Amino acid sequence: LAKTTQPISMDSYEGQEVNITCSHNNIATNDYITWYQQFPSQGPRFIIQGYKTKVTNEVASLFIPADRKSSTLSLPRVSLSDTAVYYCLVGEVYAGNMLTFGGGTRLMVKP
Amino acid sequence: EAQVTQNPRYLITVTGKKLTVTCSQNMNHEYMSWYRQDPGLGLRQIYYSMNVEVTDKGDVPEGYKVSRKEKRNFPLILESPSPNQTSLYFCASSLDGGAPETQYFGPGTRLLVL
Repeated sequence: LAKTTQPISMDSYEGQEVNITCSHNNIATNDYITWYQQFPSQGPRFIIQGYKTKVTNEVASLFIPADRKSSTLSLPRVSLSDTAVYYCLVGEVYAGNMLTFGGGTRLMVKP
Repeated sequence: EAQVTQNPRYLITVTGKKLTVTCSQNMNHEYMSWYRQDPGLGLRQIYYSMNVEVTDKGDVPEGYKVSRKEKRNFPLILESPSPNQTSLYFCASSLDGGAPETQYFGPGTRLLVL
């Protein structure tokens, strides 16, 4: 599984756009990039997944450059309730053990 | 309501006393797995199961056992717990191993081994 590197923590203010970048220099051809969100005392929750270029859903956007060695999770207009830990995962979609979580990025949204 | 349930939610035990943490899902998911979460280490996968009677080791399987006799249940067994197994445990299920958008995590079980 490709190793990922994310910032340990980030601060933002309500209403701002937040971009969290994940580095995955040794990503393999069959690997997908998946982001999860975790609130304290809860299990992680799937946010978005992509393979290349840009993916957008009702929660976030995921930007993946052509070389796929990094990806950026973009959260538009964050609110206090977006305060959580965000995990970037890289692995094959149909490998049962693809879900190896790293340390994640602790996002603090301030009023 | 679609959900993954775990029991117990909190458990304090002593070294060597066998324990089982149950996990059940009501979504007819084929894939289930167990994770432990420790400060600074994120979530690490213990075991996973692609279907009934099919289980495989994750990243940190030592000291744990699992079974998948029926689709809805995936218990985690600690035959002889040790203090280094003190952790927060999560069970998860998904439609199949390749569909994270369908993945659900349980509420977690906080285990303290004295």
